[in-house]
Amino acid sequence: DTGVSQDPRHKITKRGQNVTFRCDPISEHNRLYWYRQTLGQGPEFLTYFQNEAQLEKSRLLSDRFSAERPKGSFSTLEIQRTEQGDSAMYLCASSLGFNGYTFGSGTRLTVV
Amino acid sequence: GIQVEQSPPDLILQEGANSTLRCNFSDSVNNLQWFHQNPWGQLINLFYIPSGTKQNGRLSATTVATERYSLLYISSSQTTDSGVYFCAGPANTGTASKLTFGTGTRLQVTL
Repeated sequence: DTGVSQDPRHKITKRGQNVTFRCDPISEHNRLYWYRQTLGQGPEFLTYFQNEAQLEKSRLLSDRFSAERPKGSFSTLEIQRTEQGDSAMYLCASSLGFNGYTFGSGTRLTVV
Repeated sequence: GIQVEQSPPDLILQEGANSTLRCNFSDSVNNLQWFHQNPWGQLINLFYIPSGTKQNGRLSATTVATERYSLLYISSSQTTDSGVYFCAGPANTGTASKLTFGTGTRLQVTL
């Protein structure tokens, strides 16, 4: 297994456009998480899946954000009508139960 | 939610020196984890340590859950240890899967 994969690594988009990020977790991991990290801060929780069920969403996740994990495998995070404040590193992680997280390399979003 | 405080915020070490990083929690936690974020942004899980002491090479960690703190020890530091060290833990009840991260300790190891 090559770990958690995220695609794309970098994304530059114009304000108002929609963007979608993909995360492929470690295959035997049943839990998948999305976090957002801005410069100089620690990652902030966005949402979490156990298998295909989205069990929790942060208040940070406005109506413009949606995440899916069809069939409990890969996950996508979509941001609609992007704003400059959405510029950040979007991190995906997976785990088996409550054991340690494995993070992907992240997708850096820049909204211009 | 819980508050996570890390100290020191910044640390500069000469190669070969030892250091101790501290993480304090406002509430009891389980599933405490330490991460290293390298200069390229990759977060690496160092330890999953809800209690007790673990060692991995030059790194070791101790968590005293009843006193709400954890320590990360780095011995014989190397330039590759540079980066930001985060501790994170969920609240003991409720959303145990959601990690709350501290603001990190930024470490620079010089030659």
